[in-house]
Amino acid sequence: DAGVIQSPRHEVTEMGQEVTLRCKPISGHNSLFWYRQTMMRGLELLIYFNNNVPIDDSGMPEDRFSAKMPNASFSTLKIQPSEPRDSAVYFCASSGGVRGVANEQFFGPGTRLTVL
Amino acid sequence: AQSVAQPEDQVNVAEGNPLTVKCTYSVSGNPYLFWYVQYPNRGLQFLLKYITGDNLVKGSYGFEAEFNKSQTSFHLKKPSALVSDSALYFCAVRANSGNTPLVFGKGTRLSVIA
Repeated sequence: DAGVIQSPRHEVTEMGQEVTLRCKPISGHNSLFWYRQTMMRGLELLIYFNNNVPIDDSGMPEDRFSAKMPNASFSTLKIQPSEPRDSAVYFCASSGGVRGVANEQFFGPGTRLTVL
Repeated sequence: AQSVAQPEDQVNVAEGNPLTVKCTYSVSGNPYLFWYVQYPNRGLQFLLKYITGDNLVKGSYGFEAEFNKSQTSFHLKKPSALVSDSALYFCAVRANSGNTPLVFGKGTRLSVIA
């Protein structure tokens, strides 16, 4: 298995532009998580999905952020409009399998976002 | 509510010496506990987990962790540190009921000095 796949790996954009981050979870996993990592705030959970349904989006900073999971193999995190304070590394993770809640989460390599 | 505390932001150890990275947790019910490692410019990699059974859990790269229920701790250990172990280490917890995300600590930066 290729693991969790994220694209792009790096994104540089200007303030006000729309940014879309993409994630392909591990095949067969039924939970997907979006995290943001910064030096100041550490690792923050933004939103997570179970069976493609958003369960908790209380970590989403504001209405500029939105996430979708149209099917079991694809999710997007969109920022519109982007701001310099959104600069961070965004990670996608997935989990699932027969052990249920005992399963670990597998992380993608991350997307490093820079908003100028 | 679940929470994890990693009391040390930074741990320095000489190569060849034993290392310990501390973690304490708070959870309602029985915990599932995890350790992850993050190398520079990489995602988090799973190291090991405690689910049930033996309190001493062995994981990748020679790491192990000991679950101590009375002290609500799950410290990460390695008998002999390598320079290549230098990285950021995260402890995480989840209650054993309900399909909720892992709750991560703030991370501890381990620096192994040659």
